[in-house]
Amino acid sequence: DAGITQSPRHKVTETGTPVTLRCHQTENHRYMYWYRQDPGHGLRLIHYSYGVKDTDKGEVSDGYSVSRSKTEDFLLTLESATSSQTSVYFCAISEPGRRQISFGPGTRLTVT
Amino acid sequence: DAKTTQPNSMESNEEEPVHLPCNHSTISGTDYIHWYRQLPSQGPEYVIHGLTSNVNNRMASLAIAEDRKSSTLILHRATLRDAAVYYCILTSNTGNQFYFGTGTSLTVIP
Repeated sequence: DAGITQSPRHKVTETGTPVTLRCHQTENHRYMYWYRQDPGHGLRLIHYSYGVKDTDKGEVSDGYSVSRSKTEDFLLTLESATSSQTSVYFCAISEPGRRQISFGPGTRLTVT
Repeated sequence: DAKTTQPNSMESNEEEPVHLPCNHSTISGTDYIHWYRQLPSQGPEYVIHGLTSNVNNRMASLAIAEDRKSSTLILHRATLRDAAVYYCILTSNTGNQFYFGTGTSLTVIP
């Protein structure tokens, strides 16, 4: 998986609790992304980062925040998890001009 | 971002060619056409991309219509391992935003 790890790989949490998902890359790629995947909706972009401390919203950013303090790490935070945020979350990376995006293994999050 | 339209699902017999269509009628002159596929329980993986000319690689071929408003991913000989969801996406000239949609679920029949 192109030097991309996600942690945790599985998590069950209760409604209202904060949750942070971590994406770590060893490729030194400039761009990092968070997607969620749900049946019937395909892959949807939540947030992305185009450099350290530079982030922007994607298609479905409500209820999520991100931070990137180092090139290699991109954190996704659910401030107060809701059942609608039960999903599989994928991190991805890309490099300007390469025209390819590489995905991590995914994190399965269940909010009860 | 320009949108793409793909059939929800397709079936193919093993060892036969598969043609996966994609419509992108609002494509701009500098948008690249990409194909990715997602095997069960994995993240999507790159298959192929192109701008105007047809492209071939070890995995597949990409045929782009002359007006660029549609494209076709061709798997020359489907195997059971090709059963996956195939995504057709467009990227701008800067090439750093990737919007995936729902894709085409390909079933390969033994």
